[in-house]
Amino acid sequence: AQSVTQPDIHITVSEGASLELRCNYSYGATPYLFWYVQSPGQGLQLLLKYFSGDTLVQGIKGFEAEFKRSQSSFNLRKPSVHWSDAAEYFCAVGPSGGYQKVTFGTGTKLQVIP
Amino acid sequence: GAVVSQHPSWVICKSGTSVKIECRSLDFQATTMFWYRQFPKQSLMLMATSNEGSKATYEQGVEKDKFLINHASLTLSTLTVTSAHPEDSSFYICSASGQGFQQYFGPGTRLTVT
Repeated sequence: AQSVTQPDIHITVSEGASLELRCNYSYGATPYLFWYVQSPGQGLQLLLKYFSGDTLVQGIKGFEAEFKRSQSSFNLRKPSVHWSDAAEYFCAVGPSGGYQKVTFGTGTKLQVIP
Repeated sequence: GAVVSQHPSWVICKSGTSVKIECRSLDFQATTMFWYRQFPKQSLMLMATSNEGSKATYEQGVEKDKFLINHASLTLSTLTVTSAHPEDSSFYICSASGQGFQQYFGPGTRLTVT
């Protein structure tokens, strides 16, 4: 069965600092991987996805993630965090066939301090 | 991007009553809609998948007689929690996908059963 682990429940960073959110997955084949962001009162928004090809994926809002098969990881990064990035971030894994039946991690809540 | 709305955003009901939650795709036709449940500090758990005009497919452990899902049109799906009890209190999130298969998420509905 597929599963996702986000080891950090809560992270605090200073505005302008770099950010890395960790995600480890378990899946029997090549996974489809996603990062979503959830802001209060808003739906989950897709930041980026990895299906195949280049293992460094660029997303919206200046985010990127790197797929490392050897480490079963798909960490999310941003070089300089803005106060508006404060939100909850979910990593997700899905089977071939794309977006359907994805399994979500437990989320990482990001706090940004001035 | 595609927009999905949910109504109501927050509902309080008494134990034993039923409550209906609507999920609408506002600017695209959703051939498939998904219903998730999210507990505090936990991940999104898929409850069921519904295709327009067909019966919903429920995940293991989800009572289909308790969580009635109707997907009568390409823009509307409803989740009815029947005979609600306090343990049904949760955050319910829907998502919708069209021909592109990407899931677009609604903002969620917080259900509190007293």
